[in-house]
Amino acid sequence: DAGVTQSPTHLIKTRGQQVTLRCSPKSGHDTVSWYQQALGQGPQFIFQYYEEEERQRGNFPDRFSGHQFPNYSSELNVNALLLGDSALYLCASTLVGERSYNEQFFGPGTRLTVL
Amino acid sequence: DAKTTQPTSMDCAEGRAANLPCNHSTISGNEYVYWYRQIHSQGPQYIIHGLKNNETNEMASLIITEDRKSSTLILPHATLRDTAVYYCIVRVAFSGSARQLTFGSGTQLTVLP
Repeated sequence: DAGVTQSPTHLIKTRGQQVTLRCSPKSGHDTVSWYQQALGQGPQFIFQYYEEEERQRGNFPDRFSGHQFPNYSSELNVNALLLGDSALYLCASTLVGERSYNEQFFGPGTRLTVL
Repeated sequence: DAKTTQPTSMDCAEGRAANLPCNHSTISGNEYVYWYRQIHSQGPQYIIHGLKNNETNEMASLIITEDRKSSTLILPHATLRDTAVYYCIVRVAFSGSARQLTFGSGTQLTVLP
């Protein structure tokens, strides 16, 4: 049973560039959430996708956008990169439902460095 | 979601029980207590959750006080691989939609040889 996978593992970009990160959820899961984790801090919620729509959003600017595909995989896009966007980007998946405890399972993350 | 308070850091001797406390005095009746841990540079790992009864799984035990204002995560026989940041999170479980996780600063547990 494959867990949550993310690609790439590491990425180096320069200020002003755009980046796309990818996530495949755990088998059987239909909801994907994205988190940003700066060095030394806890993960911060960016947004969540369910049924190919953004359902919840944290306090992040519009430069952060996403997409969910029919197979439940997801992409996180960040435009006009800033130095402060350097972080570990985490994807988490879960199964939504009345009997779901909504445990979220995390991928290993993508380490983004903006120079 | 209710706010949680955890100690910044704790040490534990290898082979001994690690007891990690969490205060959540504003918890609501429909909110569960979840525990996650994050080993350095990896994604957070779900450990356990509970509502009001004590819970146990292959990883840990969760003890919730009768008034539900605090809880303790117990790792019965800590190993060096249990060194991680442990997060206590309180939120609604059954909501019809997946609720986001709000992470605090967590507790850095260091298991010493």
